[in-house]
Amino acid sequence: QKEVEQDPGPLSVPEGAIVSLNCTYSNSAFQYFMWYRQYSRKGPELLMYTYSSGNKEDGRFTAQVDKSSKYISLFIRDSQPSDSATYLCAMSDNYGQNFVFGPGTRLSVLP
Amino acid sequence: GAGVSQSPRYKVTKRGQDVALRCDPISGHVSLYWYRQALGQGPEFLTYFNYEAQQDKSGLPNDRFSAERPEGSISTLTIQRTEQRDSAMYRCASSLSPGQGEGTQYFGPGTRLLVL
Repeated sequence: QKEVEQDPGPLSVPEGAIVSLNCTYSNSAFQYFMWYRQYSRKGPELLMYTYSSGNKEDGRFTAQVDKSSKYISLFIRDSQPSDSATYLCAMSDNYGQNFVFGPGTRLSVLP
Repeated sequence: GAGVSQSPRYKVTKRGQDVALRCDPISGHVSLYWYRQALGQGPEFLTYFNYEAQQDKSGLPNDRFSAERPEGSISTLTIQRTEQRDSAMYRCASSLSPGQGEGTQYFGPGTRLLVL
C-alpha cells in the first residue's frame, strides 16, 4: 500500500460547482496536513495547512482531516476556471522529517 | 536503490557568507524541486527543474538565491551573502515524471541552515 493515495483524475466540473478532493494515507504518525495547488509549468503553491484533525476554512477553500479514517479532503466552493490546476495533498509526522506528497489530482473547471 | 540525498545535513554559517546546498535525486528522476521549510510550517516552493532546464524560479525569495542542475542530475542551491532570515530547513525532492498529477515527489532529509 502506498503511503499516500490520491485519485489522479482528471476531474472536470462546471463553473460554480463544489469540488471535493481527497487523499487517504496509511501512516498514523502523520500529524500535519497540507494542500498544494500546481498550475501548468509552475511549482506547487501551499494553499492550506492544518494540524491534526478538524476543519480549516480560508475563503472558498475548506480543508478537513479525519485522522480516525486516515482521510483528508479539500473542498472548493463556487469553483472558477482559474482553479483549474493539479492539487496535491501532503503530510508529515510530528517532527516534520517524514514528509510525503500525494501524486496529485488534475482538476478542470469548465466555464 | 538510494533515495534522495542532501548535503550537508546541517550548516552553520556567519551572516554575509555564501552557502551551497547539494541535492542528489533518485537516479533517473526527471524533475527536481527545491523547498524551504520554516519551523512549524509547510514547505514553501522555491524552484524546480525538468532535466537540466529550470522551469520555474518564481519561489526564490530574491536574487541572492540561485539554483542549477547542469547535467540534469545533481542540483545545487546557492545562497549568496546569507542573512539571518535565511535560516530554515531546505528540502529537495525528485519525481520520476515531469507530468503534473503523475509525479509523486520523494523528499530528501533536508539541510538545516543556521545563519548567525
